[in-house]
Amino acid sequence: AQKVTQAQTEISVVEKEDVTLECVYETRDTTYYLFWYKQPPSGELVFLIRRNSFDEQNEISGRYSWNFQKSTSSFNFTITASQVVDSAVYFCALSEGTNSGYALNFGKGTSLLVTP
Amino acid sequence: NAGVMQNPRHLVRRRGQEARLRCSPMKGHSHVYWYRQLPEEGLKFMVYLQKENIIDESGMPKERFSAEFPKEGPSILRIQQVVRGDSAAYFCASSRGPGTGYEQYFGPGTRLTVT
Repeated sequence: AQKVTQAQTEISVVEKEDVTLECVYETRDTTYYLFWYKQPPSGELVFLIRRNSFDEQNEISGRYSWNFQKSTSSFNFTITASQVVDSAVYFCALSEGTNSGYALNFGKGTSLLVTP
Repeated sequence: NAGVMQNPRHLVRRRGQEARLRCSPMKGHSHVYWYRQLPEEGLKFMVYLQKENIIDESGMPKERFSAEFPKEGPSILRIQQVVRGDSAAYFCASSRGPGTGYEQYFGPGTRLTVT
């Protein structure tokens, strides 16, 4: 069963628009971590954020913000005032457990295209 | 502070040859993970290693694939007798400690093409 679902395969926006990338996860563990990674056209994977299951506070970092809602098992990522450089594939990932979990379960990614 | 290094960045092999992919973790990191990104499939965990130990290889194909992380030197992912289906991007990640409490930082990947 898919543990992380990113239903949006591709999104295209015009520069300066806000865009929200959706992530829904599935786990039976009470302790888990959620991540977002960015994969630009150059191919590397860039770590963006990690949240643990006990911290539902939203987080903002510059133009990026994350909304974690356990009630809906979602961890959405919003880019405000998007820029062309934000064009990339964005992956949401889940890691379960405390001492035993370490493998990241990735969603299939959302390809974001920001046009001028 | 150098990040995770992988080499080669691109590797072309003919069917039946061996592929060796190298990964040097970030300074201070002793935990290494390998992931594979197949077209249309996303990133999948393959194996988790600490120095001289394989901790979890549940994601490794049962045949032809092996991994090691020796006491000295980089971690190696080895694919014997490659087939076209092995063509993918292989990413290595490292972390400072075990478990979910530590971020995994990824290298730039090795893109393997089997002809």
